[in-house]
Amino acid sequence: NAGVTQTPKFQVLKTGQSMTLQCAQDMNHNSMYWYRQDPGMGLRLIYYSASEGTTDKGEVPNGYNVSRLNKREFSLRLESAAPSQTSVYFCASSAAEGRNTIYFGEGSWLTVV
Amino acid sequence: GNSVTQMEGPVTLSEEAFLTINCTYTATGYPSLFWYVQYPGEGLQLLLKATKADDKGSNKGFEATYRKETTSFHLEKGSVQVSDSAVYFCALGISGGSYIPTFGRGTSLIVHP
Repeated sequence: NAGVTQTPKFQVLKTGQSMTLQCAQDMNHNSMYWYRQDPGMGLRLIYYSASEGTTDKGEVPNGYNVSRLNKREFSLRLESAAPSQTSVYFCASSAAEGRNTIYFGEGSWLTVV
Repeated sequence: GNSVTQMEGPVTLSEEAFLTINCTYTATGYPSLFWYVQYPGEGLQLLLKATKADDKGSNKGFEATYRKETTSFHLEKGSVQVSDSAVYFCALGISGGSYIPTFGRGTSLIVHP
């Protein structure tokens, strides 16, 4: 009964370091998403993948890259971390149709110092 | 475009008080409407949903009715508990072409004993 699993849960990075957040879902969903959540800002979409093999920018894509490795996995990469990327990151997935429920992972707390 | 507006928080209540969190939306097409809840330190999870006008979603004592005439989906609960303290997000999803759900900015609920 895993749902959406993301790793790591906590990470501290130094400015300029790179890292990849991993996400996997076991619900056979076509669509996957990466959000960031900051105090007072709600959820902001970074990138999404409507289906395997496609990715598109969301509201705040600068400083990030993504890979839809297969139908299950959707990773988020920070190439050169900046303090402004300190945030909580959520991976999510849904069936392809926009009216379906979104399922979220438990979050990854990232601090860039 | 699509948008969701929900009341600013935090909403602070005493245990057993009545809760209303307002949510209004603008959308092209015929959206499904959702309420998600985020407990401290966790990801969002679906609380309830409604897929067409006049539908009422309900779960864990919470209710919301899809009002097309007022473009609203207000969340209500007759008697809140301390365990209901969380952040509540209103959201909409559109069928036929948009895979990106639209979220409100979230409303924090604090319930005191």
